[in-house]
Amino acid sequence: GAVVSQHPSWVICKSGTSVKIECRSLDFQATTMFWYRQFPKQSLMLMATSNEGSKATYEQGVEKDKFLINHASLTLSTLTVTSAHPEDSSFYICSAEKSEGLAGVVQFFGPGTRLTVL
Amino acid sequence: QKEVEQDPGPLSVPEGAIVSLNCTYSNSAFQYFMWYRQYSRKGPELLMYTYSSGNKEDGRFTAQVDKSSKYISLFIRDSQPSDSATYLCAMSTTNAGKSTFGDGTTLTVKP
Repeated sequence: GAVVSQHPSWVICKSGTSVKIECRSLDFQATTMFWYRQFPKQSLMLMATSNEGSKATYEQGVEKDKFLINHASLTLSTLTVTSAHPEDSSFYICSAEKSEGLAGVVQFFGPGTRLTVL
Repeated sequence: QKEVEQDPGPLSVPEGAIVSLNCTYSNSAFQYFMWYRQYSRKGPELLMYTYSSGNKEDGRFTAQVDKSSKYISLFIRDSQPSDSATYLCAMSTTNAGKSTFGDGTTLTVKP
């Protein structure tokens, strides 16, 4: 199997505080992980690509100083939302790449983290 | 124009129906094609993945890729209420790296 976990599954925080979300590949190693956010009834919006041992690559329009990504090991990437504001409230989902033979490299997703900023 | 266009739905079918979910794309370099299922408030779950053109079957699910038409489909046979979810197509050009996702089609299977 290919299992990806996220912690916490939901978090409520006050405006101005920082929140850290962890993404772990439990049964495989992932050099590359991705971070997405998803608004209700909308598709996934890629925020950044996280590469183990190097700086993350952010998509256009995503503030790298606000959404800090650290991929310190082959099984763990973290996303820290700094100085969170109500508009940052969203569903954050990570995925991890795994080689699936001839099918290439496939993304396996975590269960998501629902962030609510009061 | 988006690189990947997915039939928006929503789609509502009776239990036991055959469901067809479709995506078209404009980038001829796409070679890897995936379908994900996402239940409400959950992360997407990989259903099927294929490389290049052709069909792939897994139980009640069949993925079909027609690169000449830049068209992919997911067929669900004998649909069940538990199949009610949002289905996302995804595709990529290389053996690694980010995928491009469709916006999703929400399916409801009524008992």
